[in-house]
Amino acid sequence: DAGVTQSPTHLIKTRGQQVTLRCSPKSGHDTVSWYQQALGQGPQFIFQYYEEEERQRGNFPDRFSGHQFPNYSSELNVNALLLGDSALYLCASSWGRATNEKLFFGSGTQLSVL
Amino acid sequence: GQNIDQPTEMTATEGAIVQINCTYQTSGFNGLFWYQQHAGEAPTFLSYNVLDGLEEKGRFSSFLSRSKGYSYLLLKELQMKDSASYLCAAPRGYGQNFVFGPGTRLSVLP
Repeated sequence: DAGVTQSPTHLIKTRGQQVTLRCSPKSGHDTVSWYQQALGQGPQFIFQYYEEEERQRGNFPDRFSGHQFPNYSSELNVNALLLGDSALYLCASSWGRATNEKLFFGSGTQLSVL
Repeated sequence: GQNIDQPTEMTATEGAIVQINCTYQTSGFNGLFWYQQHAGEAPTFLSYNVLDGLEEKGRFSSFLSRSKGYSYLLLKELQMKDSASYLCAAPRGYGQNFVFGPGTRLSVLP
């Protein structure tokens, strides 16, 4: 049973560029959430996708957008990259939308913006 | 608003017991989660508490006091592989929009 997979594992971009990160949820899961984790800090919620729609959003600018496909996989897009966007981007999957559902995380994409 | 606080670093000796504390302030309470994250790896689920009291799972136990906004993770018989960051998290409102604490980086020394 494959867990949550993310690609790529590492990425280097320059300021102003655009980036797309990809996530495949754990088998049987239909909900995907994205988190940003800066070095030495806890993850910060970006947004959540369920039934191909953005259901909840954290305090992130519109430069951060996403998509969920019919097979439940998801993409995170970041436009006009800033130095401060350098972080580990984690994808988490779960089933349904109950608040007591534990999250299964991927190993993340380490994004460096130069 | 919601806020979660925990110590940023702790050190303990192999074979010992360590308690990692977490305090939280939430506008609504839907339970408290603990995750373990080894360096460079994905966070993995350790425990979930929604009622007051102690939940035990092998060497790991988690405690919750809703009236005090307080939780702790207790690790017994520490092993070197327990060196990791331990994240305290609470769901914000409806759905799985989690607020995470800064994480406690635990170093287990021989």
